[in-house]
Amino acid sequence: AQSVTQLGSHVSVSEGALVLLRCNYSSSVPPYLFWYVQYPNQGLQLLLKYTSAATLVKGINGFEAEFKKSETSFHLTKPSAHMSDAAEYFCAAAPNTGNQFYFGTGTSLTVIP
Amino acid sequence: EPEVTQTPSHQVTQMGQEVILRCVPISNHLYFYWYRQILGQKVEFLVSFYNNEISEKSEIFDDQFSVERPDGSNFTLKIRSTKLEDSAMYFCATLRKVNTEAFFGQGTRLTVV
Repeated sequence: AQSVTQLGSHVSVSEGALVLLRCNYSSSVPPYLFWYVQYPNQGLQLLLKYTSAATLVKGINGFEAEFKKSETSFHLTKPSAHMSDAAEYFCAAAPNTGNQFYFGTGTSLTVIP
Repeated sequence: EPEVTQTPSHQVTQMGQEVILRCVPISNHLYFYWYRQILGQKVEFLVSFYNNEISEKSEIFDDQFSVERPDGSNFTLKIRSTKLEDSAMYFCATLRKVNTEAFFGQGTRLTVV
């Protein structure tokens, strides 16, 4: 079965610093990959998705992620953190067959002023 | 922008009572899901629904749970006899087709007392 691992349940960065949230998937066949953000008391909002086109994917709010097949990774980055980026971030994978999304355990991002 | 609507936003129920959580999917979407998130934990898959039947379900989705789309619009999750451990945020998600972006509702916070 597909699984998604997010290293680091809590990440703190200073405002203006680089944001790096890690995600690794387990699959011999690269799945479709997604990053979702959850603000407090809200639902999940799609940040970006990888669907086997470009390996560097740009999303909303200045976030981007790079798919690296050799590392089975799909890490999320943003060059300069903003206070409004503080939220919970979930990496998710959808296999090429079947229709279920598999979520990572989430990473809580704190931005320090 | 189209959105998935869930009602109610918050429900408090006594242990042993039945609850029905409702979701109005995006109109041209064909795949429907329920996920849940226990406070502080990961988002967990419950069930997927396509063509008026369950296509996948997890171990969590036992005989106490059921889903239906009775009128072709609302997609409901019923818990027959709630337990304390059913307290969670329940998210509905819909897809137009497989391996595309899942659109999530804002969630229903279920509290079982």
